[in-house]
Amino acid sequence: NAGVTQTPKFRVLKTGQSMTLLCAQDMNHEYMYWYRQDPGMGLRLIHYSVGEGTTAKGEVPDGYNVSRLKKQNFLLGLESAAPSQTSVYFCASSSLGGRGELFFGEGSRLTVL
Amino acid sequence: AQSVTQLGSHVSVSEGALVLLRCNYSSSVPPYLFWYVQYPNQGLQLLLKYTTGATLVKGINGFEAEFKKSETSFHLTKPSAHMSDAAEYFCAVSDEDNAGKSTFGDGTTLTVKP
Repeated sequence: NAGVTQTPKFRVLKTGQSMTLLCAQDMNHEYMYWYRQDPGMGLRLIHYSVGEGTTAKGEVPDGYNVSRLKKQNFLLGLESAAPSQTSVYFCASSSLGGRGELFFGEGSRLTVL
Repeated sequence: AQSVTQLGSHVSVSEGALVLLRCNYSSSVPPYLFWYVQYPNQGLQLLLKYTTGATLVKGINGFEAEFKKSETSFHLTKPSAHMSDAAEYFCAVSDEDNAGKSTFGDGTTLTVKP
């Protein structure tokens, strides 16, 4: 039972470098989300998708881009990484939108030097 | 707009004692409410949820929570703490009109003392 899988799990970047985080879910869920978790701040929504080919901005979208070309995958990109983007990133998916629980990946820890 | 306030960023209890983690929410439409638990270096997993119906909901590992609309609260309780309950707990709110976007509280770290 894979559920939600995130790759990579750890990454160190230098300021200005780019990278992509991949989220894959095998539950045929329509809804997918990217959150970032910082100490004492809970989880904040970066971007989300309500179905294949759709994306929308969340609470803290600046500096990030996303794509959902296939239903099972949701990619989060950083075009020019900044130290403020050092965080733990979580992908989640849901079948029922607001009514349903979120299924989370194990997280991707990103450090930007 | 939705918001969640978790009272107390750190709660410490003795093993066998009552666990009470507080959550208050704000929502302009009927809310869906969730409690998630996060163990170190892991993702979040669902403890319990309230969507409609019975206001007292039971979850995994002996936890339960009661939705009180008049108090806009959804406090999490467990009668007897176990060492394995030590973790971080997050309260979250979403609604039907919001594309499933959940708003999370800042989290409460539960410590269980032997």
